[in-house]
Amino acid sequence: EADIYQTPRYLVIGTGKKITLECSQTMGHDKMYWYQQDPGMELHLIHYSYGVNSTEKGDLSSESTVSRIRTEHFPLTLESARPSHTSQYLCASTPPAGETQYFGPGTRLLVL
Amino acid sequence: QKEVEQNSGPLSVPEGAIASLNCTYSDRGSQSFFWYRQYSGKSPELIMSIYSNGDKEDGRFTAQLNKASQYVSLLIRDSQPSDSATYLCAVSRGGDMRFGAGTRLTVKP
Repeated sequence: EADIYQTPRYLVIGTGKKITLECSQTMGHDKMYWYQQDPGMELHLIHYSYGVNSTEKGDLSSESTVSRIRTEHFPLTLESARPSHTSQYLCASTPPAGETQYFGPGTRLLVL
Repeated sequence: QKEVEQNSGPLSVPEGAIASLNCTYSDRGSQSFFWYRQYSGKSPELIMSIYSNGDKEDGRFTAQLNKASQYVSLLIRDSQPSDSATYLCAVSRGGDMRFGAGTRLTVKP
């Protein structure tokens, strides 16, 4: 299993603010992912990375950006938060030569 | 057609019964198959993975894979109220993983 950390766990913020959701893993996993999930709804892939300096957009159009400067760190940034960004954001990672995704605890975001 | 489809649910079974969760996928090149459990408000956690046709058992859980029919299932024997959760089927090809929308299971005492 992977140790994946997400901070903050809960965030309430006003419209227009810039926010960064943090995701870190300590197992040297090369692949990392960000998903958005509304309550009771399916997972939507918004960004992924296959390694340092590699980032790609997922299936869901998103106004967020990501970076992968270090293997263990994959932050997600919203330049200007809007109420439509209210959701749960889940980070996941996969070990080298593996396919299983291991999820972090998630960040619940509420934009007022 | 969605790439990964699960029976719509919600599914309700009495305690002690067998719960059967089904999943079909569209990509014949899919190689790896996973079942995740997600409790309300929590993140998905891996229950089982299966890579070859046939059955794979782990405690009360049995995953079944039929690549010819593009079908994966999860059986939960002796269902417990603690099994009440949403179950996600995931299918992977070369590391590209696709999740189903999930089936919500309720086990009634």
